[in-house]
Amino acid sequence: GAVVSQHPSWVICKSGTSVKIECRSLDFQATTMFWYRQFPKQSLMLMATSNEGSKATYEQGVEKDKFLINHASLTLSTLTVTSAHPEDSSFYICSARDREDWRGGRNEQFFGPGTRLTVL
Amino acid sequence: AQSVTQLGSHVSVSEGALVLLRCNYSSSVPPYLFWYVQYPNQGLQLLLKYTSAATLVKGINGFEAEFKKSETSFHLTKPSAHMSDAAEYFCAVSDLSSGYSTLTFGKGTMLLVSP
Repeated sequence: GAVVSQHPSWVICKSGTSVKIECRSLDFQATTMFWYRQFPKQSLMLMATSNEGSKATYEQGVEKDKFLINHASLTLSTLTVTSAHPEDSSFYICSARDREDWRGGRNEQFFGPGTRLTVL
Repeated sequence: AQSVTQLGSHVSVSEGALVLLRCNYSSSVPPYLFWYVQYPNQGLQLLLKYTSAATLVKGINGFEAEFKKSETSFHLTKPSAHMSDAAEYFCAVSDLSSGYSTLTFGKGTMLLVSP
């Protein structure tokens, strides 16, 4: 149980184009999903917290107009990198929190396998 | 504010030797603490977590960690390293400042296991 998938697993795009990354909770309902960015050999940096049916909360320094997040259902959140540039190349990881876990006072995040974005 | 410090970006051990990965946290309130493992080009897998129950926490793959409030530490140990343990390990903290909602990760420690 508690499986999170991401699609695509890797993507290469040209500078100036937009890229959409999907994050799905496969066997549980996730009221909250998180988007992280990881540069090579570095830690995960939280970009934004996505709550189902409401606007995402972005961390300081993250451009909300560049990184569009939509959490339209209890099992799907999407991150769209708009007008991508080479400096946006990174490993993007999502995580999801089970709605039942949160109600039960548990606070575990289940992580997806990540999406490698390369902008040429 | 919550923060985590992992001492040593790389730790090298021989197969069969003790593994010790260090993690110190900063939190003004009792924290939740986590250890995750990441294999190349993959997401994170939870090894174990401390959420104010027993201070000695046992996780998967033979790992365990002990919460020491007086030392603000949550070091990860394994009695005998295996080649398959070679990976990146992240310590993370969550506390009341974020409503126990968000995780703050340390910079990670790469564990290298030699035969």
